[in-house]
Amino acid sequence: DAKTTQPPSMDCAEGRAANLPCNHSTISGNEYVYWYRQIHSQGPQYIIHGLKNNETNEMASLIITEDRKSSTLILPHATLRDTAVYYCIAATGANSKLTFGKGITLSVRP
Amino acid sequence: GAVVSQHPSWVICKSGTSVKIECRSLDFQATTMFWYRQFPKQSLMLMATSNEGSKATYEQGVEKDKFLINHASLTLSTLTVTSAHPEDSSFYICSARGTTGRGEKLFFGSGTQLSVL
Repeated sequence: DAKTTQPPSMDCAEGRAANLPCNHSTISGNEYVYWYRQIHSQGPQYIIHGLKNNETNEMASLIITEDRKSSTLILPHATLRDTAVYYCIAATGANSKLTFGKGITLSVRP
Repeated sequence: GAVVSQHPSWVICKSGTSVKIECRSLDFQATTMFWYRQFPKQSLMLMATSNEGSKATYEQGVEKDKFLINHASLTLSTLTVTSAHPEDSSFYICSARGTTGRGEKLFFGSGTQLSVL
């Protein structure tokens, strides 16, 4: 699976959009971009995934660049409960094992 | 959506005893489950892949005789930490592949905090 690179941390104000970047310059054509988050002392929670088109669900939006070398997870209106570690993972699908990097710690401030 | 139940959520045991952790897929069948371990302030590390009806596949460096995995049904996988020692104290998390909405994805249990005294 391709390696992903994320900044170690970022913060944003409550109610504002949180844009979390991820680089995956070596991603292959059949690898999806998955985003999970982990709130302290809990199991990871699935957020969203995509292959090449932008995706949106009730939790977030995923913007993938045309060359697929990077992506951005957007939480449109961050709340204090969105404070967590967010993991960006490139994998060939749910059949494959997910390899977690260090992720990015998002802190939402009041 | 798909739910993965993990039990117990925390356990404290004496050194030398064995501890069993259960992972259940509640509303879907999971032919494959994954077991992870997470130390404080570190990321999740994959320990093994659990396949229903066959032997588990362990990642390099993980002792298969110490971490026994059984996946006897399509909804249950168990991880047994045998002869636990303080260095085995960690957060153990299971995941299972399920289908909901757009295609398949991995769902995770809530984790088990193991403390070995």
